[in-house]
Amino acid sequence: AQRVTQPEKLLSVFKGAPVELKCNYSYSGSPELFWYVQYSRQRLQLLLRHISRESIKGFTADLNKGETSFHLKKPFAQEEDSAMYYCALRGSGGSNYKLTFGKGTLLTVNP
Amino acid sequence: DAGVTQSPTHLIKTRGQHVTLRCSPISGHKSVSWYQQVLGQGPQFIFQYYEKEERGRGNFPDRFSARQFPNYSSELNVNALLLGDSALYLCASSLVPQGYPDTQYFGPGTRLTVL
Repeated sequence: AQRVTQPEKLLSVFKGAPVELKCNYSYSGSPELFWYVQYSRQRLQLLLRHISRESIKGFTADLNKGETSFHLKKPFAQEEDSAMYYCALRGSGGSNYKLTFGKGTLLTVNP
Repeated sequence: DAGVTQSPTHLIKTRGQHVTLRCSPISGHKSVSWYQQVLGQGPQFIFQYYEKEERGRGNFPDRFSARQFPNYSSELNVNALLLGDSALYLCASSLVPQGYPDTQYFGPGTRLTVL
């Protein structure tokens, strides 16, 4: 079975402060990890995926297989980062057709 | 390109009724996936279709069914609606179901309310 846990339902920081959104996963094989974001009144969209090792909008995430984590980080939060963030996992082998999402973390960046 | 489109935007049904939700993928995308998002939860996988064939199914009862048409659009059908079926139903399309790059692009969703 594959599972994604986002322990924080809500996270509030001030503009310019560092932010870290936590994501832990459970999967027996080699997963592919993603972060999706949903801004107010917009559709769910891909923020980044671990396989591409990109930095999008200043966000980075490193896959730590030892700790089974894929935390999302940004050194200096901006007000426009306020949104709902979902961590998602796609398995390998026969089960790699679906995304398993966490429950999401609502990030609020205060001025 | 308008992206993934879904219809209707909102829907209100009563228990026991049947509902059909529709999705049009991005032009050129051959794979469509359906997700259910209950309030306060992340999206939960229902189905994936590729080239008109079911490629995967989540842990949902047989009341849920889907199909994909030759133009790659898709329908999700739910029979004998229950109160617990009230949710946002998301459709996502991708070029192929597996492999890289394989970004799933989501539609705006259909909000279903069952009374």
